[in-house]
Amino acid sequence: KNEVEQSPQNLTAQEGEFITINCSYSVGISALHWLQQHPGGGIVSLFMLSSGKKKHGRLIATINIQEKHSSLHITASHPRDSAVYICAVRLRGTSGSRLTFGEGTQLTVNP
Amino acid sequence: GAGVSQSPRYKVAKRGQDVALRCDPISGHVSLFWYQQALGQGPEFLTYFQNEAQLDKSGLPSDRFFAERPEGSVSTLKIQRTQQEDSAVYLCASSSQLGNSPLHFGNGTRLTVT
Repeated sequence: KNEVEQSPQNLTAQEGEFITINCSYSVGISALHWLQQHPGGGIVSLFMLSSGKKKHGRLIATINIQEKHSSLHITASHPRDSAVYICAVRLRGTSGSRLTFGEGTQLTVNP
Repeated sequence: GAGVSQSPRYKVAKRGQDVALRCDPISGHVSLFWYQQALGQGPEFLTYFQNEAQLDKSGLPSDRFFAERPEGSVSTLKIQRTQQEDSAVYLCASSSQLGNSPLHFGNGTRLTVT
């Protein structure tokens, strides 16, 4: 069983829909990252969370430390949101900022 | 350029060749990480540097993989005697300090071993 699991693996939505991507982890963490990866490999860091909720534009990320669960929400989705969204955690006690990654959620938003 | 820069962007190597992949982190960033991402998978940790010190190399898959960061800035990931299973995107990331600081990723080097 992976230490970090994401769901769904693939998600197709219509433009304007509200989208939720989930991340569950099974170990103690010191922080959780949500990352966006576009075709061609470039990764952009969207959020880094250790508690509560963060919002940036149409993106919202929440984390529940007790339940070992985080969600990424996209409001009013747009085709340009199409990308792979990756959840990554920094395991408590690991060196530096070493991250353990989920396998990603492929999001496609159709016009 | 303010971001993490990796070169080459694409590399095709014949099986058995040695390759060297370069990462230029953001200036002043203390921490540098290498990750390997196979097609359709999430990135997997390879190794971590704090300045010039390689503090964790537990993710390197074999002794054919070697990484260095001699002056605490640019890093090179070297793969000797490449095998087909080495084909992947190799991602470099840097952050400004230890603890809860965001990671900045390069665009990666896509290595194809034929």
